[in-house]
Amino acid sequence: EPEVTQTPSHQVTQMGQEVILRCVPISNHLYFYWYRQILGQKVEFLVSFYNNEISEKSEIFDDQFSVERPDGSNFTLKIRSTKLEDSAMYFCASRLDGYEQYFGPGTRLTVT
Amino acid sequence: DAKTTQPNSMESNEEEPVHLPCNHSTISGTDYIHWYRQLPSQGPEYVIHGLTSNVNNRMASLAIAEDRKSSTLILHRATLRDAAVYYCNPPSGGGADGLTFGKGTHLIIQP
Repeated sequence: EPEVTQTPSHQVTQMGQEVILRCVPISNHLYFYWYRQILGQKVEFLVSFYNNEISEKSEIFDDQFSVERPDGSNFTLKIRSTKLEDSAMYFCASRLDGYEQYFGPGTRLTVT
Repeated sequence: DAKTTQPNSMESNEEEPVHLPCNHSTISGTDYIHWYRQLPSQGPEYVIHGLTSNVNNRMASLAIAEDRKSSTLILHRATLRDAAVYYCNPPSGGGADGLTFGKGTHLIIQP
């Protein structure tokens, strides 16, 4: 069964450094998403992406964040200058055209 | 935004049915009702969705109240693998696409 994959599974970085989290959505899907979950808290929507542009973003998704689909398969989330409070699980999701979003296993980001 | 209310936790025995309730009294008439779940250390997983009629799939059934202000997710025969946090999350409406996750219901399954 096709699935969303994410790399790396765990990323440790120092405060102020740039990180890129990578996702490979399900191959024929059209809509792509990033969410995050701070330890012990709710899953929070960050951004959705369709037709090579952002279709919606939350208040969390400020100028420090950017997304890109550099080729036909990858979908990336870049955090320009990481802060301690960016430490969280980051989930990528994709959707074809129905209502179901398929989530990846997540990348645990630890900012020290 | 549509607000949802779910019990913080529920407990059930293995191989028994489980009914997980959700109140979404401010849902708009065109918003679908989605249920997702999150198993320990995994990403959320789609379970089921519906608009007005009750729905069944291989994972669960969804019973939607006639006024759409509440719904119930039914696991017909819970297994240990069903232990997870279950989220009822109607989208925020207005064409918004991102899912709105609340705290969900932590379902504990006893062997």
